Amino acid sequence: AQRVTQPEKLLSVFKGAPVELKCNYSYSGSPELFWYVQYSRQRLQLLLRHISRESIKGFTADLNKGETSFHLKKPFAQEEDSAMYYCALSPSGTSYGKLTFGQGTILTVHP
Amino acid sequence: SAVISQKPSRDICQRGTSLTIQCQVDSQVTMMFWYRQQPGQSLTLIATANQGSEATYESGFVIDKFPISRPNLTFSTLTVSNMSPEDSSIYLCSVRANTEAFFGQGTRLTVV
Repeated sequence: AQRVTQPEKLLSVFKGAPVELKCNYSYSGSPELFWYVQYSRQRLQLLLRHISRESIKGFTADLNKGETSFHLKKPFAQEEDSAMYYCALSPSGTSYGKLTFGQGTILTVHP
Repeated sequence: SAVISQKPSRDICQRGTSLTIQCQVDSQVTMMFWYRQQPGQSLTLIATANQGSEATYESGFVIDKFPISRPNLTFSTLTVSNMSPEDSSIYLCSVRANTEAFFGQGTRLTVV
């Protein structure tokens, strides 16, 4: 069975500081990894996925298969980045489409 | 992309009653997913709803408690049956379009 762990429930930084949200996973196959974000009073939405290797809103995440990690990073945090962030895993094969979520990290960026 | 409408957005229900949550998608999708988010917890998959067949439930969830309907490719319902306070949660509908999952706004259920 797959598992996603986000060790930090709360993370506070000041505007302009670097931020890293940690995510570790366990899965025997080749998973897809995602970061989802939920801003205040909005629905959950995709931030980025590992297969596209893109930068969204200044955030990047690199899949490290050796460390089974998919940490989310941003060099200069902004106040509008304050939100709940979920790391999620989707297995390959017949279970495609199902997501296993981490516990979530509430990021607060102070002015 | 996919736009999902979920109803109701919130409800307060008496224990022992049932509530049916509706999920409407603006495009045809093969699979729809129902998640639960208990207070202070992460999202947990309840079941996968396939059109034309019975829903597939995850470990710890059973059809008698969470019956699901999927009458067509754009609509699904989840019923929370014989509710108890432990069922107080946010219930979310989700679909997968290409490689991205889209979510409804959620139904916040409080059982008293």
